[in-house]
Amino acid sequence: NAGVMQNPRHLVRRRGQEARLRCSPMKGHSHVYWYRQLPEEGLKFMVYLQKENIIDESGMPKERFSAEFPKEGPSILRIQQVVRGDSAAYFCASSLTGGSGTEAFFGQGTRLTVV
Amino acid sequence: GENVEQHPSTLSVQEGDSAVIKCTYSDSASNYFPWYKQELGKGPQLIIDIRSNVGEKKDQRIAVTLNKTAKHFSLHITETQPEDSAVYFCAASSDSNYQLIWGAGTKLIIKP
Repeated sequence: NAGVMQNPRHLVRRRGQEARLRCSPMKGHSHVYWYRQLPEEGLKFMVYLQKENIIDESGMPKERFSAEFPKEGPSILRIQQVVRGDSAAYFCASSLTGGSGTEAFFGQGTRLTVV
Repeated sequence: GENVEQHPSTLSVQEGDSAVIKCTYSDSASNYFPWYKQELGKGPQLIIDIRSNVGEKKDQRIAVTLNKTAKHFSLHITETQPEDSAVYFCAASSDSNYQLIWGAGTKLIIKP
């Protein structure tokens, strides 16, 4: 049973380009969470999705950022018109069920560098 | 909202000694407290968790204690080994706010 798969592992974009980060949850998991991590900091919640639905996007910037988790295929975190401040590690986690106390399994992350 | 503080930011211990990392939280409704280990270039990995109806939990060399009155919880690692070197994060969540709120992390260095 493969773990949470994220790709690409490293992504370099020029300012103004679009970044697409993909996350395939663990088999059987229908709950996906995206977190952002700056160097030497903890993870910051961005968005929580369940198949085809956004449950909570309170941690995601209102502009330029969007997320989806279609019925088929991976979850996508999309950042339009990237700026230098978007450079960070983006982690995806998945869980079997939702709610507090549910163990979340993390992927290896995508390290986005905006030049 | 919830705020989680973690100390120390860096901890250096001799191999074989014990390490203790402490976290405090602000929201008394928080009821789930996981600890994650993150190695360089990798995603966080759950190592142990505790729920608010339990005061202590142990798994081999790792233990976590929770003091609900004082709103703090701690990670204890005994007989430390070189492979314990990593960054450790505490986190908290509640039934009304399932988001994990993370501490800033502790870099644990095990000296040979």
